[in-house]
Amino acid sequence: DAGVTQSPTHLIKTRGQHVTLRCSPISGHKSVSWYQQVLGQGPQFIFQYYEKEERGRGNFPDRFSARQFPNYSSELNVNALLLGDSALYLCASSLGPGGPGYTFGSGTRLTVV
Amino acid sequence: AQSVTQLDSQVPVFEEAPVELRCNYSSSVSVYLFWYVQYPNQGLQLLLKYLSGSTLVKGINGFEAEFNKSQTSFHLRKPSVHISDTAEYFCAVDLVSGYALNFGKGTSLLVTP
Repeated sequence: DAGVTQSPTHLIKTRGQHVTLRCSPISGHKSVSWYQQVLGQGPQFIFQYYEKEERGRGNFPDRFSARQFPNYSSELNVNALLLGDSALYLCASSLGPGGPGYTFGSGTRLTVV
Repeated sequence: AQSVTQLDSQVPVFEEAPVELRCNYSSSVSVYLFWYVQYPNQGLQLLLKYLSGSTLVKGINGFEAEFNKSQTSFHLRKPSVHISDTAEYFCAVDLVSGYALNFGKGTSLLVTP
């Protein structure tokens, strides 16, 4: 069975640009969460979507947005990129909004220059 | 709000020695507890989780953890480590009624011959 898949695996963007990251959950999982992991830190919660509705949002600016599609895949969008947005972005899926327990993808490494 | 403290940022240990990685949490309500492992340039892999029931939880790769409600701790142990256990370990907490994992800052386990 395929796990959580994320694309792209790496990308480099310039300050001020926009980026879209993609995530496909495990088959049967209806909830997708996004986390940001800055080098040397633990992951920080950004969003959770369940059944295409936003269930929770972490302490991130409005430049960050996301959506979930009818097939439960998800996109994370970041506008007006800053150097500080450089991080590993992790997607996690679960059966429902409360997990419990989440399966993570391998992440997208974003570098902003 | 709940929080997680991993008491050691780095733990060096010799191969075949026992190891304990410490984790304390704070929460005024019931929580789920998790340990994840992250190998270099990879996503997070679930080692074990405590949801309810027995306070001693066994996970993959010979790891186990004990939930101690009175001390609000969830320490991870392995009786004999291997070189391949070298990785970053994250303790995380989620409210029973929640939707987001709150991670500690991680403990770097370095196993040497």
